[in-house]
Amino acid sequence: AQSVTQLGSHVSVSEGALVLLRCNYSSSVPPYLFWYVQYPNQGLQLLLKYTSAATLVKGINGFEAEFKKSETSFHLTKPSAHMSDAAEYFCAVSEKTSYDKVIFGPGTSLSVIP
Amino acid sequence: DAGVIQSPRHEVTEMGQEVTLRCKPISGHNSLFWYRQTMMRGLELLIYFNNNVPIDDSGMPEDRFSAKMPNASFSTLKIQPSEPRDSAVYFCASSGRDRVNNEQFFGPGTRLTVL
Repeated sequence: AQSVTQLGSHVSVSEGALVLLRCNYSSSVPPYLFWYVQYPNQGLQLLLKYTSAATLVKGINGFEAEFKKSETSFHLTKPSAHMSDAAEYFCAVSEKTSYDKVIFGPGTSLSVIP
Repeated sequence: DAGVIQSPRHEVTEMGQEVTLRCKPISGHNSLFWYRQTMMRGLELLIYFNNNVPIDDSGMPEDRFSAKMPNASFSTLKIQPSEPRDSAVYFCASSGRDRVNNEQFFGPGTRLTVL
């Protein structure tokens, strides 16, 4: 069965500092992996996705994530945090054999301190 | 494209009343998902449809909840009777026919408050 864990329900960084949000997954078959972002009072929107091409995936707003099979991880990073990055971030996994069903992690709330 | 459309955006009702949430997926998408988001439980998948057919309703909390998709452009989630613990934000999402690129597009959500 698929599952997603996100270490740290809340992360605070200073503006301009590195953002690192952790995600580990469990899947019995090769996975598709996603990061979604949710701004206050909005729905989720896709930041980036891994679908078995390059292991380093670049997304919108300067975010990127690296798929590491040996560590079953898909951590999200951004070199320099901006105030507008404050939001809830969700890691998600789906299996290629059942692509429709996506399992979301519990989310990490990112705060950016001026 | 207008994106996924949900109505109403906010709903306040009293315990015991029937509540109906509505969703219009993105045109051409063939999968539709209903999620519930609360502080305590996070984002939960309630049910999803593929080509208007319910595929997995294992997340529906109990018989008070029901969902329908009578055609490709419309779905409803009904709660009858509603209870205060049903208070949450309910999201609808849709995804397209591209099996490799199964990004889900979320609507803005319906914030339900049951008094």
